[in-house]
Amino acid sequence: KQEVTQIPAALSVPEGENLVLNCSFTDSAIYNLQWFRQDPGKGLTSLLLIQSSQREQTSGRLNASLDKSSGRSTLYIAASQPGDSATYLCTGGAGSYQLTFGKGTKLSVIP
Amino acid sequence: DGGITQSPKYLFRKEGQNVTLSCEQNLNHDAMYWYRQDPGQGLRLIYYSQIVNDFQKGDIAEGYSVSREKKESFPLTVTSAQKNPTAFYLCASSVEPGHYGYTFGSGTRLTVV
Repeated sequence: KQEVTQIPAALSVPEGENLVLNCSFTDSAIYNLQWFRQDPGKGLTSLLLIQSSQREQTSGRLNASLDKSSGRSTLYIAASQPGDSATYLCTGGAGSYQLTFGKGTKLSVIP
Repeated sequence: DGGITQSPKYLFRKEGQNVTLSCEQNLNHDAMYWYRQDPGQGLRLIYYSQIVNDFQKGDIAEGYSVSREKKESFPLTVTSAQKNPTAFYLCASSVEPGHYGYTFGSGTRLTVV
């Protein structure tokens, strides 16, 4: 069964800093990798979806990469802002209905 | 705008009661899912449905029941058999599994009083 690990579990950075969040998965036979953001008490908001044929996706200050061979994905956030403070979750879709989520990285951006 | 609507946002259950959480989507997605989220734990799959009138148990289905009578709707009932129901419940949908990503609702927080 797919296992997803997110490192670090928590991260605190000053405003304006660039940062990288990591996601590792054990089953490299994934069809896509999706990054979500979750604010306290809220649902999950999709940030980026990388299909298996792609290596990266960009949206504004966010860039996500996917390396299936090494079982890793990274989410790069440029010029971080206090509004970026949230928990970030990743999951890999492998054609199964049983998605596995990491426990997330809790990001705090200090003004 | 297309999306998933979960209601209510907050729900309180007395001991021994069954309660039903609503999930409605207008994305024309075939597959729908229910997840449970507890503090410090990842999301855990309760039930999923691939098509109307079909659903399958996930990892933690005991004490829960679902129905899928319409493509748009996938309600979750938390029965009195669920001994620790206090949690945050999330509904999601997808076109098909593993290819086009998932869309989530805003969640329902259930508390036992």
